[in-house]
Amino acid sequence: DVKVTQSSRYLVKRTGEKVFLECVQDMDHENMFWYRQDPGLGLRLIYFSYDVKMKEKGDIPEGYSVSREKKERFSLILESASTNQTSMYLCASSLVPDRGYTFGSGTRLTVV
Amino acid sequence: GDSVTQMEGPVTLSEEAFLTINCTYTATGYPSLFWYVQYPGEGLQLLLKATKADDKGSNKGFEATYRKETTSFHLEKGSVQVSDSAVYFCALSTGNQFYFGTGTSLTVIP
Repeated sequence: DVKVTQSSRYLVKRTGEKVFLECVQDMDHENMFWYRQDPGLGLRLIYFSYDVKMKEKGDIPEGYSVSREKKERFSLILESASTNQTSMYLCASSLVPDRGYTFGSGTRLTVV
Repeated sequence: GDSVTQMEGPVTLSEEAFLTINCTYTATGYPSLFWYVQYPGEGLQLLLKATKADDKGSNKGFEATYRKETTSFHLEKGSVQVSDSAVYFCALSTGNQFYFGTGTSLTVIP
């Protein structure tokens, strides 16, 4: 089975800190995605990547950036964390979207 | 544009009750359709999928049939268990784009 691993399950950071959320997949998938999930808002796409060093903005990229230096790793960066970025962050990968996505277990980030 | 609409929750059922969670879609092409499940504190897991009209996806007692004429992909289970308590997401894929519904929370009480 494809495994998508997110480095932290729970994270608490202070306002203004630079935060790195790491995601690694082990099945050579080209496509990787970062979502945030908030009550009543469902999943919202932040950024995605179809290849190494390639990135595309999703629906809510403001306040975030990403890095994909290696195929298996897709990092989400909060340049200066704010309290409104407190959320559950979900990473996903896919070989071809028609086959569905595989999700990591999520990182629950709290910014205080 | 392409989108998915699923029934609002929360849904509360007694154990062994019949479950239906409605999902309808709008798509310009021929999408693949999915149901994902999210257990408390976890990420999303693929529950079942269907890639063309009249296909039926099934897994763990859950079923959904791809109905092109009604643009629907309703999730059903004949007898729910307490362990089915989770949030269920309907989703569609058209080529490189993937769209999720807002999720339906299901609680099954003994």
